[in-house]
Amino acid sequence: AQSVTQLGSHVSVSEGALVLLRCNYSSSVPPYLFWYVQYPNQGLQLLLKYTSAATLVKGINGFEAEFKKSETSFHLTKPSAHMSDAAEYFCAVSETGNQFYFGTGTSLTVIP
Amino acid sequence: NAGVTQTPKFRVLKTGQSMTLLCAQDMNHEYMYWYRQDPGMGLRLIHYSVGEGTTAKGEVPDGYNVSRLKKQNFLLGLESAAPSQTSVYFCASSFSRGPLYGYTFGSGTRLTVV
Repeated sequence: AQSVTQLGSHVSVSEGALVLLRCNYSSSVPPYLFWYVQYPNQGLQLLLKYTSAATLVKGINGFEAEFKKSETSFHLTKPSAHMSDAAEYFCAVSETGNQFYFGTGTSLTVIP
Repeated sequence: NAGVTQTPKFRVLKTGQSMTLLCAQDMNHEYMYWYRQDPGMGLRLIHYSVGEGTTAKGEVPDGYNVSRLKKQNFLLGLESAAPSQTSVYFCASSFSRGPLYGYTFGSGTRLTVV
């Protein structure tokens, strides 16, 4: 069965500090993995995706994520947080492409 | 502008009432999805469609029905609303199987059932 666990429902970082949002997945086959961002009162926007090519995936707005099969992880990072990064972030997994399973989300607060 | 449009954006229903949520996309996408988002539970798939005239059940289909009579539209129906259906509903679409393209999401419909 597929599932995603996001560790930490709330993360606070200072502006300019490293952002690290954790995602661990469970899948019986090599999965496709995604990170989405949701700004207040908006739908989700795709940040980046892993589709079995390079294990280090670069996305929009300076975010990147690394697929680590041995750790079943797909953590999202950004070297320097910006105030505009404050949002909710969702990790998602799919085995077939027809159904995605989303994590419960991590709310990122950026402190000035 | 191209994208996914959901109507209405907000709605309050009384228990037992019915309503239909409309999702329209103008990107010629084959796949369309309905999700509900609840606090602490992330997004859960209600129903999805892999093409015009087709629908399939997702994780939480009970109490909902869907139709995809036209490629660009995906309707979500609540025949007899219950307070447990209070949620934010998101529609999404993708050109083909999600992994290669990801989803395009609408901005959501906030539904309250009293």
